[in-house]
Amino acid sequence: GNSVTQMEGPVTLSEEAFLTINCTYTATGYPSLFWYVQYPGEGLQLLLKATKADDKGSNKGFEATYRKETTSFHLEKGSVQVSDSAVYFCALSESGGYQKVTFGTGTKLQVIP
Amino acid sequence: DADVTQTPRNRITKTGKRIMLECSQTKGHDRMYWYRQDPGLGLRLIYYSFDVKDINKGEISDGYSVSRQAQAKFSLSLESAIPNQTALYFCATNTANTGELFFGEGSRLTVL
Repeated sequence: GNSVTQMEGPVTLSEEAFLTINCTYTATGYPSLFWYVQYPGEGLQLLLKATKADDKGSNKGFEATYRKETTSFHLEKGSVQVSDSAVYFCALSESGGYQKVTFGTGTKLQVIP
Repeated sequence: DADVTQTPRNRITKTGKRIMLECSQTKGHDRMYWYRQDPGLGLRLIYYSFDVKDINKGEISDGYSVSRQAQAKFSLSLESAIPNQTALYFCATNTANTGELFFGEGSRLTVL
C-alpha cells in the first residue's frame, strides 16, 4: 500500500534559519503530493501541492519539488519566522478513483526568536 | 464563518457513554471524511462518504459509526466510548476533482 515517511520532530530553529523537512513516499501510479500545516488549536490547511513529477509547489515562502526518481517531496524555506511554528504533514493522494489520501506522522516545528 | 464546522470542539465523557460528533460544511462538496489524530501517528481515516447514500469504512472504523444526514452534514458516533478513543477528531471535505482536503478545526474528545 501507499505510505509517507517524514522526518521526526520536533525541529527547533532560530528565526531566519533555513528549514528542510524531509518527506519520502511509496505509491503505485502517479500520486499528487501535498504539504499541510496545522497551527496550534486549528485544523490542517493546505500549504502547497504538486501534481506531477518535477512540479514545484510554493506558498508563503515554502517550496517543495516532486522528485519521482528519489520519491521525495522535501519542504524548504529559506528564512523561517516565529509565526511558522506549527506541525507540518506530508501527504499523497492516489490518482483516479477514490483518490485516497495518506498522511505522514507530522513534524513539529518550533521557531525561537 | 468556517467552511467546515465541527461540534462540539471539546468534550469530556466517561467510559461506556454514547458520543456524537457533528460536522457541517458550506463548501458544497460531495465527499466528507472523519479522521482521528494521535501524537506520533498522524491522521488515520475512520469513515468516508462520497454522497448521501455512500458510506465506507476507513483504516480504523471499529468502535465508530457514521451518518450522512444530508450532503452538508456528516456525524460520527461512538456507541460506547472507551479511553483509547481519546483523541483529536477532524472532519474534512473535498470533491472528486481535487485531492486537496478542507478540514474543520477539530473536536477534542477525552474519555475517562
